[in-house]
Amino acid sequence: KNQVEQSPQSLIILEGKNCTLQCNYTVSPFSNLRWYKQDTGRGPVSLTIMTFSENTKSNGRYTATLDADTKQSSLHITASQLSDSASYICVVSLNAGGTSYGKLTFGQGTILTVHP
Amino acid sequence: NAGVTQTPKFRVLKTGQSMTLLCAQDMNHEYMYWYRQDPGMGLRLIHYSVGEGTTAKGEVPDGYNVSRLKKQNFLLGLESAAPSQTSVYFCASSPRFGNQPQHFGDGTRLSIL
Repeated sequence: KNQVEQSPQSLIILEGKNCTLQCNYTVSPFSNLRWYKQDTGRGPVSLTIMTFSENTKSNGRYTATLDADTKQSSLHITASQLSDSASYICVVSLNAGGTSYGKLTFGQGTILTVHP
Repeated sequence: NAGVTQTPKFRVLKTGQSMTLLCAQDMNHEYMYWYRQDPGMGLRLIHYSVGEGTTAKGEVPDGYNVSRLKKQNFLLGLESAAPSQTSVYFCASSPRFGNQPQHFGDGTRLSIL
């Protein structure tokens, strides 16, 4: 069964500190892995998308890593800000070939709270 | 540029009532999707569309119908609402699948009493 598991479920850090969120998946065949940020009451917003051949991708203070061999990804947030408080969702795409729709499997998210 | 707009933002229904949720995108995207988000669970795909006039079932389609008569609009219908359909519904669009990100609306919060 294709699954995406994220850890921890929730995390509290102080402003200015770094943190790392984890994502393990069993989706196969793999196409790409995405990280989304979802603010309370808003829709998810894409942070990064990584394919099989990419092992790291950055978007400002967000850096995602991918180990396709162990089927693990992490999202590292540097110098956290209050605005980083949100749910971070890991999403893995099934490879359906070409541009055909490949099923997306969503993790349950990690809720990050940044305190001043 | 509004992106993906969902209406209404909130709605309370009684069991057995029907309603339609509207999603509109102004990015000329081919693909559109309807998801539901429930506490402690990842987003689950209800239905999706890969182009005007086409729709397909996702993983939780029962109790819902969809239509895509125009490329920019994707409608989600509940024919006879049930309390189990209380959820937050998100619409998303993407230019094509592959490595393109989905763009999400801000959701419709639906309560069914």
